[in-house]
Amino acid sequence: GEDVEQSLFLSVREGDSSVINCTYTDSSSTYLYWYKQEPGAGLQLLTYIFSNMDMKQDQRLTVLLNKKDKHLSLRIADTQTGDSAIYFCAEKGGATNKLIFGTGTLLAVQP
Amino acid sequence: SAVISQKPSRDICQRGTSLTIQCQVDSQVTMMFWYRQQPGQSLTLIATANQGSEATYESGFVIDKFPISRPNLTFSTLTVSNMSPEDSSIYLCSVEREQETQYFGPGTRLLVL
Repeated sequence: GEDVEQSLFLSVREGDSSVINCTYTDSSSTYLYWYKQEPGAGLQLLTYIFSNMDMKQDQRLTVLLNKKDKHLSLRIADTQTGDSAIYFCAEKGGATNKLIFGTGTLLAVQP
Repeated sequence: SAVISQKPSRDICQRGTSLTIQCQVDSQVTMMFWYRQQPGQSLTLIATANQGSEATYESGFVIDKFPISRPNLTFSTLTVSNMSPEDSSIYLCSVEREQETQYFGPGTRLLVL
């Protein structure tokens, strides 16, 4: 079945770049997403990428997709303390509208 | 994007009781979804709710436990029935908008004692 994996934790210093990685198994994925969840809040859609793209940049965020290796990454440039949150990647399979979420990566930004 | 509200935002309930969670969207949408996020875990889809038809439940979730209503294109409810402490979770609704994007409500935090 479909499976999406992420590392559990990432700690960076303020001003550095953060790279959060995600691997998935469904080769028919059409869209891949990054969501941010701050403490006590719902999920905020950060960005998404269509499966026929390799890269997407949106201000401080850069998404890289390696479809051959089924690997997705989110790079946050100039990481700020306000970026501290849990980041979820999610993939949408080709056959359904269902989103499959990763395990989430807790990003801790040290001042 | 979409503006989505949920009521209640949080609740503490006794085991054996039921709680109905409401989800309201600021514009008409075809697809609405209900997810569960257990403590410290990722999100799991409970069901897809389309207006005018029965909700479609994922494996491990049944209508008797999680009845869903979708009376119109801007509103849905999820009921958590006969609750037990294992139902303590965050329940989130989401809607699908343009370009295959899903937007989430703020969630309902449920604690069952």
